Amino acid sequence: GENVEQHPSTLSVQEGDSAVIKCTYSDSASNYFPWYKQELGKRPQLIIDIRSNVGEKKDQRIAVTLNKTAKHFSLHITETQPEDSAVYFCAASWGNQFYFGTGTSLTVIP
Amino acid sequence: EAGVAQSPRYKIIEKRQSVAFWCNPISGHATLYWYQQILGQGPKLLIQFQNNGVVDDSQLPKDRFSAERLKGVDSTLKIQPAKLEDSAVYLCASSSTSGGPYEQFFGPGTRLTVL
Repeated sequence: GENVEQHPSTLSVQEGDSAVIKCTYSDSASNYFPWYKQELGKRPQLIIDIRSNVGEKKDQRIAVTLNKTAKHFSLHITETQPEDSAVYFCAASWGNQFYFGTGTSLTVIP
Repeated sequence: EAGVAQSPRYKIIEKRQSVAFWCNPISGHATLYWYQQILGQGPKLLIQFQNNGVVDDSQLPKDRFSAERLKGVDSTLKIQPAKLEDSAVYLCASSSTSGGPYEQFFGPGTRLTVL
């Protein structure tokens, strides 16, 4: 089955700096890569996703890049703000089966 | 559109007791997932339904966990008997099967504490 690895497990950045979270996957059949933000005590919320026929996608301060050959994808948050502090999960999906990374706890220091 | 509903939101039980969780997916979503999320970890799939059939239950501890989705809509997840290590948040999610790839929507979760 699919194996998704996520790094780093914790990340602290100063407000205004950029944050990058990286994930790798093992199954070349995976074709959909969502990123979720989970605030303490709340449900995971989809923040951005990318499909295998696209190399990069951007939505305001958030961007995701995908390298199918190397089987890795990354989340980029620019101009970080304190409200970006949360746990971020990547996932790899084929069909409607999802495999999650172990999460990155991001802290944005004001 | 209404989101995924779950109840109860919190449950505290003693080990060896039984507990049941309920999930109502987004209307029209054929696929329903139950995940276990232990503090500090990512969601781990327990069982996945397509309508009322099981697609994947390979990580479901079948000696104590059971789940059903009899009419292809609501689902219940049961633990009997509970162990201390079952303390976690149980997340239900649903996704559509029209088009694809399929975006997954999560419910608020049920936080289970086993004492």
